[in-house]
Amino acid sequence: GQNIDQPTEMTATEGAIVQINCTYQTSGFNGLFWYQQHAGEAPTFLSYNVLDGLEEKGRFSSFLSRSKGYSYLLLKELQMKDSASYLCAVLDSNYQLIWGAGTKLIIKP
Amino acid sequence: DTAVSQTPKYLVTQMGNDKSIKCEQNLGHDTMYWYKQDSKKFLKIMFSYNNKELIINETVPNRFSPKSPDKAHLNLHINSLELGDSAVYFCASQTSGVYNEQFFGPGTRLTVL
Repeated sequence: GQNIDQPTEMTATEGAIVQINCTYQTSGFNGLFWYQQHAGEAPTFLSYNVLDGLEEKGRFSSFLSRSKGYSYLLLKELQMKDSASYLCAVLDSNYQLIWGAGTKLIIKP
Repeated sequence: DTAVSQTPKYLVTQMGNDKSIKCEQNLGHDTMYWYKQDSKKFLKIMFSYNNKELIINETVPNRFSPKSPDKAHLNLHINSLELGDSAVYFCASQTSGVYNEQFFGPGTRLTVL
């Protein structure tokens, strides 16, 4: 079967750095997405990785290792507005998005 | 202009009723989805339409039926609503090609009493 694993919840301090991990087992791989979802709102796109390595976009970076079936989202200089759920999703061989359950990130002052 | 819009945003109804949720996208995308997000926040794909053709249909009850009058619209009709149908329903539109990014609508919070 297809499976996406990520921690259910994480807590971090304002101004700090946090890394949210995602491991996947899917039938084929055509890329990995990270989405951010604030409570009561729709998910919004953060990043897309299809090649191994680190993609940096401002305070957010996303890393992929295809051989390990592993990705992480790195958030730097955390702000209170970063409190949200972060969803990992993999595009499988049929170009269908397989979603993880999301990681709820709580930022404390 | 809103890229993906859904109506209504909130829907409260009694068990046994029939209701519809509308979705429209102005992005020109060929593929649209309906998702259900329950209280555990897990995003579950319900249906996908590509150029008005149903291409995936997860194991959802046949009380749920997607209807696509044209490429820009994918409506969700639900018959005989049950308590367990209470959830947030998201419509999404997807770009074509290798970079399949999805754009989500604002969601419809359905509460069945």
